[in-house]
Amino acid sequence: NAGVTQTPKFQVLKTGQSMTLQCAQDMNHNSMYWYRQDPGMGLRLIYYSASEGTTDKGEVPNGYNVSRLNKREFSLRLESAAPSQTSVYFCASSELTATEAFFGQGTRLTVV
Amino acid sequence: DQQVKQNSPSLSVQEGRISILNCDYTNSMFDYFLWYKKYPAEGPTFLISISSIKDKNEDGRFTVFLNKSAKHLSLHIVPSQPGDSAVYFCAAWGMDSNYQLIWGAGTKLIIKP
Repeated sequence: NAGVTQTPKFQVLKTGQSMTLQCAQDMNHNSMYWYRQDPGMGLRLIYYSASEGTTDKGEVPNGYNVSRLNKREFSLRLESAAPSQTSVYFCASSELTATEAFFGQGTRLTVV
Repeated sequence: DQQVKQNSPSLSVQEGRISILNCDYTNSMFDYFLWYKKYPAEGPTFLISISSIKDKNEDGRFTVFLNKSAKHLSLHIVPSQPGDSAVYFCAAWGMDSNYQLIWGAGTKLIIKP
């Protein structure tokens, strides 16, 4: 039972470098999400995809882009990483937008 | 402006006793509330939820109470077990948030043996 799989688990980037975080779910869920978690704060929504073929901005979308590649996969891209993007990133999926979400294990990203 | 607040960053409880985690919210349009549990180096996992039309929901050792007039909810864990040591997040959604979850900052629960 894989559920939601994120890669990589850890990454260190230099300022200005780019990278893509990958996420895949095997639960046939329609909705997928990318969150970031910073110390002392709750999870904040970066982007979400309510269904295959759609993406929408969340609370903190600046500096990020996403692609809903198919129903299973939802990737998050940092085009030019900044130290402010140092965070733990979580991908999640849910059957529909307003139902319980299942999370991946997270990606700890450090931008130096 | 934090719409969902968990004012206690941490809570320490003796094994076997009751753990009570609190959550306050400011948006009266929220109509569904959830609690998630998170262990270190793992993603959050769903624990229990409650709709705004109810004031209590129970699932085994876990009970969530909702007081809409006070915009307050609480999670009770009875009896507390060592495996309950984790960070607990309160989250809420409603039409106002376009049904996207708004999260509290979390409370770290430590169960002492």
